[in-house]
Amino acid sequence: DIQMTQSPSSLSASVGDRVTITCQASQDISNYLNWYQQKPGKAPKLLIYDASNLETGVPSRFSGSGSGTDFTFTISSLQPEDIATYYCQQYDNLPFFGGGTKVEIK
Amino acid sequence: EVQLVESGGGLVKPGGSLRLSCAASGFTFSSYSMNWVRQAPGKGLEWVSSISSSSSYIYYADSVKGRFTISRDNAKNSLYLQMNSLRAEDTAVYYCARDMPLRGFDLWGRGTLVTVSS
Repeated sequence: DIQMTQSPSSLSASVGDRVTITCQASQDISNYLNWYQQKPGKAPKLLIYDASNLETGVPSRFSGSGSGTDFTFTISSLQPEDIATYYCQQYDNLPFFGGGTKVEIK
Repeated sequence: EVQLVESGGGLVKPGGSLRLSCAASGFTFSSYSMNWVRQAPGKGLEWVSSISSSSSYIYYADSVKGRFTISRDNAKNSLYLQMNSLRAEDTAVYYCARDMPLRGFDLWGRGTLVTVSS
């Protein structure tokens, strides 16, 4: 099975900061990587698919990059409404999730 | 309205069984693969099971293989998860999610809580 290692597990940043989360696959998954946002008490929401494609309606401050085994998710300017836990998910094989990154406001 | 609505959660004793349902509406259910994803209290997301549009392909996480059975009824626009031999570690909110090919899980239900406790 392909394992996904996501880091950091949590972070605290100020409004307007650039936030970066990384996800590493245990083997090459090409660009088969998605990113989700989950706010407390809510279902996850798809933000980015195929490593770098923004889902319809998602603000452009969210972006993703990478291929192979190393991927990055970025919020270019953190907003209060971005407080959530973010998960990567690979779908090269069974669709396992990374461990999540909890984003908080400093 | 395009939506997924889970039901069937509740409190069950260890070793017991429960059947979850997910009712789909607002889209052509029979065209999509579907999934169950769970989240234990305070923990991350765990993919549980997938079923292809025609039920030809079915996959399970190792943690539930042999105990859980996924199925669907395209005529009723419904997805199911039969859970047997339940354990305390199966306690979680269970979500059903639509699988958009090459795009990820683009539609999720609100989830149903399963609590396994004596």
